[in-house]
Amino acid sequence: DQQVKQNSPSLSVQEGRISILNCDYTNSMFDYFLWYKKYPAEGPTFLISISSIKDKNEDGRFTVFLNKSAKHLSLHIVPSQPGDSAVYFCAASDGNYGGSQGNLIFGKGTKLSVKP
Amino acid sequence: DAGVIQSPRHEVTEMGQEVTLRCKPISGHDYLFWYRQTMMRGLELLIYFNNNVPIDDSGMPEDRFSAKMPNASFSTLKIQPSEPRDSAVYFCASSFNTVADTQYFGPGTRLTVL
Repeated sequence: DQQVKQNSPSLSVQEGRISILNCDYTNSMFDYFLWYKKYPAEGPTFLISISSIKDKNEDGRFTVFLNKSAKHLSLHIVPSQPGDSAVYFCAASDGNYGGSQGNLIFGKGTKLSVKP
Repeated sequence: DAGVIQSPRHEVTEMGQEVTLRCKPISGHDYLFWYRQTMMRGLELLIYFNNNVPIDDSGMPEDRFSAKMPNASFSTLKIQPSEPRDSAVYFCASSFNTVADTQYFGPGTRLTVL
């Protein structure tokens, strides 16, 4: 049973428009969320994170929104650029990294294509 | 720093053979993670180490998989014997802290078991 779900395997957006990538989770104990970006033949790279005490975190063109009641987070990219074309992974953890809990659980990813 | 280094980048082997994947974490990072990426299951954590000690190996699929970290700058993931269903991209990542800190991923090893 997937605890972190990215239901859209792909998304296509026009350059300059907004890209919205969605992520849902089931474990109410998750308190820290991250987005990673992955280009082909490379490892994922950290993009942005948010703690459960916040509902928004912004870094340049990237903003992550967290809706705890809906167990939903989203990544907004504005404006989208062709270089943003990559696979985006949502990840979550309950922060208790000392034992069987606290592992970073990844979604399956959403492939974003930004067309010029 | 050169980042997390993994070798080989590509490995093609036949079923039943032993496969060893290698990882050099970023210097000074206390945590090392091994992940596997497949189309079906996405990115899964296999095992992670803290200060060279395995902390959680609950993600290791079977006894055919083993991982070691003999020192702070080197880790191996071994599959013996390998099977076609082990074909995947295996990533190593390291972090200075845990969840509160960013995990830095290596480029991955694409394993194909024929």
